[in-house]
Order: sequence, then structure tokens, then C-alpha cells
Amino acid sequence: KQEVTQIPAALSVPEGENLVLNCSFTDSAIYNLQWFRQDPGKGLTSLLLIQSSQREQTSGRLNASLDKSSGRSTLYIAASQPGDSATYLCAVAPALDGGFKTIFGAGTRLFVKA
Amino acid sequence: ETGVTQSPTHLIKTRGQQVTLRCSSQSGHNTVSWYQQALGQGPQFIFQYYREEENGRGNFPPRFSGLQFPNYSSELNVNALELDDSALYLCASSSEGFWLANQETQYFGPGTRLLVL
Repeated sequence: KQEVTQIPAALSVPEGENLVLNCSFTDSAIYNLQWFRQDPGKGLTSLLLIQSSQREQTSGRLNASLDKSSGRSTLYIAASQPGDSATYLCAVAPALDGGFKTIFGAGTRLFVKA
Repeated sequence: ETGVTQSPTHLIKTRGQQVTLRCSSQSGHNTVSWYQQALGQGPQFIFQYYREEENGRGNFPPRFSGLQFPNYSSELNVNALELDDSALYLCASSSEGFWLANQETQYFGPGTRLLVL
């Protein structure tokens, strides 16, 4: 059974700091891994999607890596800003079950202090 | 904005009642998934509908049911509400490419927050 774990559960950093969020998953048979952002009481916004054949994806100040063999992904945020404060969720699409039963981690709650 | 809307935004029900939540997908998206997100947790997959048929289901009892309509709208129905059903319910729409090729993302609505007393 696929399980997704995110560490740390919460993080508070000063503005301008570079930071890394971690995600681990127990079964390497995945179609893709995705990072989402969720603002309080809101829906999810997709940040980056990494296909199983890819190693990383970049968008602006965000870089996500994927190591399927070790069951790990990291989300790197450069030069953090107060507007980055949100919960960041990691989600995998397991290859079993057709890949659409997306499984989410519990998230990392990030607070960037001005 | 993702183009996915949900109604109502908030809802209060009592235990044993029934509730219907609604979602309007992006135009052209024939796949909709529903998720339950308890406080402090990640979303849990409830089920997915593709072209008006249930396409897969997570670990939720039959009192959770759904419908998808040709006009890109869908419903989540929950019967015999329990206190543990209190959560944020999210719908996510995607095109056929999402599950055929796993190349595309899902687009999430803002959610409906359900409180069961």
C-alpha cells in the first residue's frame, strides 16, 4: 500500500532564505509525482508535476526533484517570500490502480516571516 | 483561478442527514475526482467519474456516491452523515489525458467545508 510522508510538518523561516521540503513514498511504482500549494481554507494549486521518467522540474524559484529508487522527492524554494506562506502537499499517482487514485501526504505548513 | 467551482462554500448538517455537494468542471474536462480533506491532513481520494461512469473508488463506504452530468457538472452525495464526515470536500477536474497518459494535472476547486453536528 502506497504511503506518502512529508517532513517537516511545519517550518518557519525568515524572508530570503532558501529552503527544502521533503517527501517520501513507499512504493516506487508511480506514474508521476506532483507538488501542490494550498492556502488556508482554499483548494489546491499545482506547482510542479514530475513524470516517472524525469528527475526534476523547475518553475521560477521552485525546483522539484524525484528519485524513484529511493522513494524521495524534494521541493526547493529559492529566496523565500512572505507570499510563499502556505501548506505544500506532495502527491503520487500510483502505477497500480491505473494511476489516478492520487495519494497525498499530510503536507508541510510553511510560514515565511517578513 | 482554475475554472473549477464548487457549491456551497460552507454547510452545516446534523448526524444522520443527507448532503449533496456540487462541482462544475472546466469546459472540456470529462474526468472529475472527489477528495475528502480532514483538518491537518492531506486529501483522501473518494472516487473518480469519467464520462458519467464511476472509474475508480478509494476506501470510502457506499453511502458516499456520485453523479456526473454531460454539462461538466457533478455531485457528491453522502447519506447517513457521521461526525467524522466533517471535512473540506474538494473536486478536481481533468482532461482525458490525465488518466490515459498521466501527463496532465488535475485542477482543483476551492472546496466545500462540511460540518456535521
